Formats: sequence, C-alpha cells, structure tokens
Amino acid sequence: QKEVEQNSGPLSVPEGAIASLNCTYSDRGSQSFFWYRQYSGKSPELIMSIYSNGDKEDGRFTAQLNKASQYVSLLIRDSQPSDSATYLCAVRRTNAGKSTFGDGTTLTVKP
Amino acid sequence: EPEVTQTPSHQVTQMGQEVILRCVPISNHLYFYWYRQILGQKVEFLVSFYNNEISEKSEIFDDQFSVERPDGSNFTLKIRSTKLEDSAMYFCASSVQAGSYGYTFGSGTRLTVV
Repeated sequence: QKEVEQNSGPLSVPEGAIASLNCTYSDRGSQSFFWYRQYSGKSPELIMSIYSNGDKEDGRFTAQLNKASQYVSLLIRDSQPSDSATYLCAVRRTNAGKSTFGDGTTLTVKP
Repeated sequence: EPEVTQTPSHQVTQMGQEVILRCVPISNHLYFYWYRQILGQKVEFLVSFYNNEISEKSEIFDDQFSVERPDGSNFTLKIRSTKLEDSAMYFCASSVQAGSYGYTFGSGTRLTVV
C-alpha cells in the first residue's frame, strides 16, 4: 500500500466546473496535510495546508480533511485553464519531519 | 515575494564525479530540505536540516550524500561520486516553522549524469 495515494488521473474538466482531487494516506499519525500545484517542468508551489478535520477555504480552493477516514481532498471551483497542472498531495507526521508526497493527479481544464 | 534560489539550474556531470548543488533559503526560514524528482516520478524526500544539523534523512541519502550550511545563508547538497541513477531534478525547500507550515520550493537543479 502506498503511503500517499491520489486519483490516478488524468482529470479533465470544462472551464468553470468544479475539479475534485482526492488523496488517501496510510499513516494514522500524520498531522499536517498539504496540496501543492506543479506546472510541467516547474517546482511545486504550496496552495493549501490543513491540519484539523473539516473544510478550509481559500479563494476558489477548498481543502477537506477527514482523519478518521484518512482522506484529504481539494476542490477547485470555477476552474480556469491556468489551473491545468499536476496537483500533489503531501502529508507530514511530525512537526519538523519530512513530507511524503503522492504521485500527483494531472488536471486539464478545457476552455 | 521572498524566493528560494537554487544554482545551477542545470548541471551535466560524468559518472563518478562530485557535484555540489547550492541553495539560498528564505532568510527568516529555519527548516531546510532537499527533495528530488526523477523524471515522471513523484517528489522524494532526501534530508531535512534544522539548527545546523540533519534532523532526518531517507534511505536514498546514503554515504555519497552530504549537506552543509557553510555560512549561515547557503545550503548545499554534495554528491560525492555520482551514478547514472542520480539523474533527477533536485529541489531545495525551506519552511519558516514546523508543524502546519508548508514549504517554499526553489526552482530546482536538473542534474544529468552521463
């Protein structure tokens, strides 16, 4: 079982739609959860972090965390072509420790 | 906006040679990391560094790898004797604090071992 598992993708949505990205993790001791966006050939860019159960909203992005189900998701509302990228889920167990990344889900938003 | 700066952007080296990848983290950040991403694969943890010492390292980070913060600003990753399988994008990252703070990644160094 992978430590961090994401939708295999690729995911394609029309412009203006909601994109839903999912991630499950195996380590119940994980404390912090992150979503990064990575454009092709570029470095990951942090877009959301969450550490409490529930929803966290930032603009068009909403992260959802359910620790009991070991599940974290990212919703992108009003998707734009510029949102086309690979989205990486990352989890961290300890305060200063490493983050473990999933394989990523590639999202394409079609105009 | 503050950036993590990495140099060089691309390095080609012969197998068996030593390489040093350089990073300048954001000035008020306290936690530093090296990750790598082999083409088409996921981002993999190499090492974390805090308070001038390694706090955690992965199985990948064997005796061929070392890190230093020689002058309080630069953060370097040295690979002593490169192998073909070391070819990857190497990312430096830093974080202002631990816990729920995510990373700021540098733009990366593409290492090609021939």
